Amino acid sequence: QQQVKQSPQSLIVQKGGISIINCAYENTAFDYFPWYQQFPGKGPALLIAIRPDVSEKKEGRFTISFNKSAKQFSLHIMDSQPGDSATYFCAPGEGQRQGAQKLVFGQGTRLTINP
Amino acid sequence: EAQVTQNPRYLITVTGKKLTVTCSQNMNHEYMSWYRQDPGLGLRQIYYSMNVEVTDKGDVPEGYKVSRKEKRNFPLILESPSPNQTSLYFCASSTRETHSYNEQFFGPGTRLTVL
Repeated sequence: QQQVKQSPQSLIVQKGGISIINCAYENTAFDYFPWYQQFPGKGPALLIAIRPDVSEKKEGRFTISFNKSAKQFSLHIMDSQPGDSATYFCAPGEGQRQGAQKLVFGQGTRLTINP
Repeated sequence: EAQVTQNPRYLITVTGKKLTVTCSQNMNHEYMSWYRQDPGLGLRQIYYSMNVEVTDKGDVPEGYKVSRKEKRNFPLILESPSPNQTSLYFCASSTRETHSYNEQFFGPGTRLTVL
């Protein structure tokens, strides 16, 4: 079953532009909405996460927007830099109920920032 | 340095030859998990462990075994590997605080090829 759908699969953005990656989910029990960033040859690392009680969270150039009614959340990267070139995964999960959340990963988006 | 380590990083083997991929974390985390990453499919959970001697199946457990005899170690065992287990494998760990959102820390990955 495809609980999490991430788009686009790949994205090319010019340096200084805005990168936007979207994630749609089906499971209404999800209450934790993180984005993970993975560089080639490395494991994924948490980039930014949001809880469902807020609609937006910003950390530096990275922003998560959350739309509970549409069951979607997105990652916005402002002023995109070549160092942001990586694969990004959304990975919603159930945190409150289980504590150690079971994450369901999206398919991944390969982001390339052209200098 | 807080980290999750995996060994080996690269492995080429033949069908049917038992192998073990080790995973160790030095953060005293209760929760540990194994994922496999395949192009277009994101990361899928194989097995997870909530604590010592407590393990459970993830989404794709067929053909794999795990054990959790010590808190820091969580080896992944392939008793009779097959070519469809050729993949990139990640171990992850996190705390397990109830009613919290626990970041998962990933190892560097093990690239396995089964001929």
